[in-house]
Amino acid sequence: GENVGLHLPTLSVQEGDNSIINCAYSNSASDYFIWYKQESGKGPQFIIDIRSNMDKRQGQRVTVLLNKTVKHLSLQIAATQPGDSAVYFCAEKSSGPVSFGTGTRLQVFP
Amino acid sequence: DTGVSQNPRHKITKRGQNVTFRCDPISEHNRLYWYRQTLGQGPEFLTYFQNEAQLEKSRLLSDRFSAERPKGSFSTLEIQRTEQGDSAMYLCASSMGTGNGYTFGSGTRLTVV
Repeated sequence: GENVGLHLPTLSVQEGDNSIINCAYSNSASDYFIWYKQESGKGPQFIIDIRSNMDKRQGQRVTVLLNKTVKHLSLQIAATQPGDSAVYFCAEKSSGPVSFGTGTRLQVFP
Repeated sequence: DTGVSQNPRHKITKRGQNVTFRCDPISEHNRLYWYRQTLGQGPEFLTYFQNEAQLEKSRLLSDRFSAERPKGSFSTLEIQRTEQGDSAMYLCASSMGTGNGYTFGSGTRLTVV
């Protein structure tokens, strides 16, 4: 994928630490939210999703938090690993197709 | 199932030429989406199909772009009279119904010279 963006927000974390990636969404009508991971040369990969009737959902090493009041979404990655290095996109959906936000590059250093 | 497959992976074409990309979705998925992604940006929606019906087209989809899904299975995206601004990654995704996350292919990287 075209994720080698020079101006992407970047989060640098040490291996083993927890990562938190934040996202602000704009459409108050959105009722479904997704986090995608995109590695170089690949398409976005689904990580975790959450519906608007929930404020927290957990997966394996990942947690998504949704705050509808301030239209904020976050992705928490526990015990970050080198393989987590990628660009992460939040995406939202109301009645139409999924709409992507600006990505965040996660860099994991040893 | 091998997921969403896109061909070719890379395409270099001269300005003014026509190009066609193919997407094979996950077989049981009835919805198919095309997105475009440029450097440093998130994917931008172009169009989508439910079965063979094209249900929505973005303003980004100029009249030089056309997409088909003739039998509700694979889809093609054609760009006529390519321009340098068409250079991007073209992503295809599929889903089963609405309200679910999409499965993306690896994309076709188009370079117009």
